[in-house]
Amino acid sequence: EPEVTQTPSHQVTQMGQEVILRCVPISNHLYFYWYRQILGQKVEFLVSFYNNEISEKSEIFDDQFSVERPDGSNFTLKIRSTKLEDSAMYFCASFKGTNTGELFFGEGSRLTVL
Amino acid sequence: GEDVEQSLFLSVREGDSSVINCTYTDSSSTYLYWYKQEPGAGLQLLTYIFSNMDMKQDQRLTVLLNKKDKHLSLRIADTQTGDSAIYFCARGSSNTGKLIFGQGTTLQVKP
Repeated sequence: EPEVTQTPSHQVTQMGQEVILRCVPISNHLYFYWYRQILGQKVEFLVSFYNNEISEKSEIFDDQFSVERPDGSNFTLKIRSTKLEDSAMYFCASFKGTNTGELFFGEGSRLTVL
Repeated sequence: GEDVEQSLFLSVREGDSSVINCTYTDSSSTYLYWYKQEPGAGLQLLTYIFSNMDMKQDQRLTVLLNKKDKHLSLRIADTQTGDSAIYFCARGSSNTGKLIFGQGTTLQVKP
């Protein structure tokens, strides 16, 4: 069964460092997302990406965050200067498109900012 | 209040049925989802229902949707210890696929 894959599974970084989280969405899907889950809290939407551009972003997704689909298969989330409060599980998801509800998540990348 | 609300905790005995409830406020949602999250793991899509349906059954899982009351439920028949997890309800749109999640319901299954 096709799946969304994410790397790394866990990253530890120092405050102020840049982090790039990587995702390979399902190949025939059209929409890509990043969500985050702070430990013990609910899953929150960060950003959606369609047709090579951001289609929607939440207020969490400030100027420190950026997304890119550099090569047609990878979908990356960059955090420019990490803060302690960026520590969370980051989930990538991909969605097939209209007329179907299939939205699949990756296993997540746990980011720990020290 | 929250857009998508769930009760936080449910405890059942192995073999019993579990019913996890969810309410939402936005009637424009096209799809409603149930995801399962085991400790330290990702979000596993269990099932989803299109908003013009009342019920969907998939093996031990039954989803009921009351669109008038904006109430969604997930029934797990013959609950097993392996069903112990956090269950997230989410609403979404077919146009964008963006999901709004509830807080999650922790299901504890006692042997």
